Amino acid sequence: EAGVVQSPRYKIIEKKQPVAFWCNPISGHNTLYWYLQNLGQGPELLIRYENEEAVDDSQLPKDRFSAERLKGVDSTLKIQPAELGDSAVYLCASSPSLRLAGAPYEQYFGPGTRLTVT
Amino acid sequence: QKEVEQNSGPLSVPEGAIASLNCTYSDRGSQSFFWYRQYSGKSPELIMFIYSNGDKEDGRFTAQLNKASQYVSLLIRDSQPSDSATYLCAWGSSASKIIFGSGTRLSIRP
Repeated sequence: EAGVVQSPRYKIIEKKQPVAFWCNPISGHNTLYWYLQNLGQGPELLIRYENEEAVDDSQLPKDRFSAERLKGVDSTLKIQPAELGDSAVYLCASSPSLRLAGAPYEQYFGPGTRLTVT
Repeated sequence: QKEVEQNSGPLSVPEGAIASLNCTYSDRGSQSFFWYRQYSGKSPELIMFIYSNGDKEDGRFTAQLNKASQYVSLLIRDSQPSDSATYLCAWGSSASKIIFGSGTRLSIRP
């Protein structure tokens, strides 16, 4: 079974430029997450989708970040304009739909995109 | 108070010994607990999850959950150099949010 696919793996851009990351989750996984991970820290949630609906975007800096998951499969995360502080690894993860009890399933991560803003 | 507390390490353990990693959490409503392993420059990889109080064993790994004391631990038996990595503890609530700790760096010395 193929895992979570992300592209690009690395991206270097100048500040104020736009950038976009793409994610294809594991087949059949309805829940998709975008995380940001800084060095020495755990992943921090940016946005969570249930199918095509963004159900938790409270941590997404909406002035410069946007995301979409058209048709409830692939997803794109965009930053415009990028700032120096956005340099980090952007991780996409997916999980099966919630269990009946509502507890979250385990998540499976993609390889991540390492963004460097100069 | 952080929602998930982990000792950042590094924790150094001799090869063949038992490595013990601990994590405490603040939300008594937490329902699901996860341990992820992350090698340097790689993404987190799920190694264990536990929902009920007590122990859960999978090969050389044992997860222990004590909801009353709000801690979860991971034991790695017969530690190998390949176990050297950062171990992330995470918990999930009924709201489907998963909170990660900052991780504990584990080093297995030959």
